[in-house]
Amino acid sequence: DAGVIQSPRHEVTEMGQEVTLRCKPISGHNSLFWYRQTMMRGLELLIYFNNNVPIDDSGMPEDRFSAKMPNASFSTLKIQPSEPRDSAVYFCASSSLTSGSTDTQYFGPGTRLTVL
Amino acid sequence: QKEVEQDPGPLSVPEGAIVSLNCTYSNSAFQYFMWYRQYSRKGPELLMYTYSSGNKEDGRFTAQVDKSSKYISLFIRDSQPSDSATYLCAFPTSGTYKYIFGTGTRLKVLA
Repeated sequence: DAGVIQSPRHEVTEMGQEVTLRCKPISGHNSLFWYRQTMMRGLELLIYFNNNVPIDDSGMPEDRFSAKMPNASFSTLKIQPSEPRDSAVYFCASSSLTSGSTDTQYFGPGTRLTVL
Repeated sequence: QKEVEQDPGPLSVPEGAIVSLNCTYSNSAFQYFMWYRQYSRKGPELLMYTYSSGNKEDGRFTAQVDKSSKYISLFIRDSQPSDSATYLCAFPTSGTYKYIFGTGTRLKVLA
């Protein structure tokens, strides 16, 4: 399997611009996670989807952030408008989680976002 | 008190040294204990996974859990320059999707 695929790998944009990050989870996995990683705060869970449905978006920082999962093989994380404090590495992870269980999360390579 | 504490390092050791990486946690409900390894500019990858107290060995790596002290360790024997990475402890919340991650310890093994 190709693993979790993320694009773009790097994104540099100016404050106020819209940014869209993309993720393709591992085939057959039913759970998808978006994380943000910074030196100060480490890995933070932004949103969790199960079977394409958003289950927990309590980690989404504010209304400027939105995420969608239109089908089992694709998800997007959008920031509009972007701000310099959004600069971080954004990871997508997937797992084959079933109700009431714990399963390994497999991470993508990340998108390094810089907002000038 | 933070739910998980992990020394950020950096930790520099010579090649061949034994490395000890540690995390403490406060939630006694944690039952699963994981170590992820993250190379520079890459995503975290699962290195070790244990469910119980005691030791679990996998090649040069040993994961140790002490539930009574709420303390987990990862030992690396005969460390190699290729072990240079950031090591994150992770605690899946039992029966749910949520992982609590440590902030990571950056390790550098010098040739």
